Amino acid sequence: DGGITQSPKYLFRKEGQNVTLSCEQNLNHDAMYWYRQDPGQGLRLIYYSQIVNDFQKGDIAEGYSVSREKKESFPLTVTSAQKNPTAFYLCASGTGLTEAFFGQGTRLTVV
Amino acid sequence: GESVGLHLPTLSVQEGDNSIINCAYSNSASDYFIWYKQESGKGPQFIIDIRSNMDKRQGQRVTVLLNKTVKHLSLQIAATQPGDSAVYFCAEKSTSGSRLTFGEGTQLTVNP
Repeated sequence: DGGITQSPKYLFRKEGQNVTLSCEQNLNHDAMYWYRQDPGQGLRLIYYSQIVNDFQKGDIAEGYSVSREKKESFPLTVTSAQKNPTAFYLCASGTGLTEAFFGQGTRLTVV
Repeated sequence: GESVGLHLPTLSVQEGDNSIINCAYSNSASDYFIWYKQESGKGPQFIIDIRSNMDKRQGQRVTVLLNKTVKHLSLQIAATQPGDSAVYFCAEKSTSGSRLTFGEGTQLTVNP
C-alpha cells in the first residue's frame, strides 16, 4: 500500500528533552517536507529536502533538525532549543514538480 | 518558532449553496498552485491544482480561478455538502524549486 507514514501519532516530551518524529514514504518521491501547525492556524514550513543528503531551512527552522540519509525517510528532531514545541507536525512528500502528499500527522505535547 | 496568534478566516454556507474561498499569494515567481482540504486532526488532502499558464481549471464540483495580475487564487465549490466542512488551504510553489508554501487557510462550515 503506497503512502506516507508518520509515527507516532501522539508524542509527549518533557521539557529539556530532544524527540524525533518519524516520516517514511514508499512513493519514490524526491522531495520531502516538514510543517508545523498550531491550533486554528495554518501550516508553517520547518525544513524541506529536494534530494537525498540535502535539505533547506524553511521559515521556522530554529530549534529543529533533520536528516535525509535515505530517499524514503526524513526524520525531524525537535530539540530542547525549541521553546514552544507543542503543535501538530505534518510531513509531506512529492515529486517536486506537482502536489505534495501528506501523512496523518504527529501531535506533540510538552508535559 | 512562536505562534503568531492569528486565527483562520471563516465561511459559513447553507447546504446546496455555492462556496467561494479566496487566497492571496505573495511570490511573483510562483507558477504552480494547489488547493488542499484538511479535516480536523488529519493531514491535508489534495483537491485541485493549476499552473500559471492557465486562469481556470475545473474538477468535480470544484473550480479554481487564478488571477496573476493581483496574485489571487479562488476555489469555488458547487452545491456545497456537509462533508465539505473543513479547513481549505492554498499552496504555492515555483517549478524551479521544491519549496511549497501555504496560505493562511479558511474554515468552511456547511449548515444543513
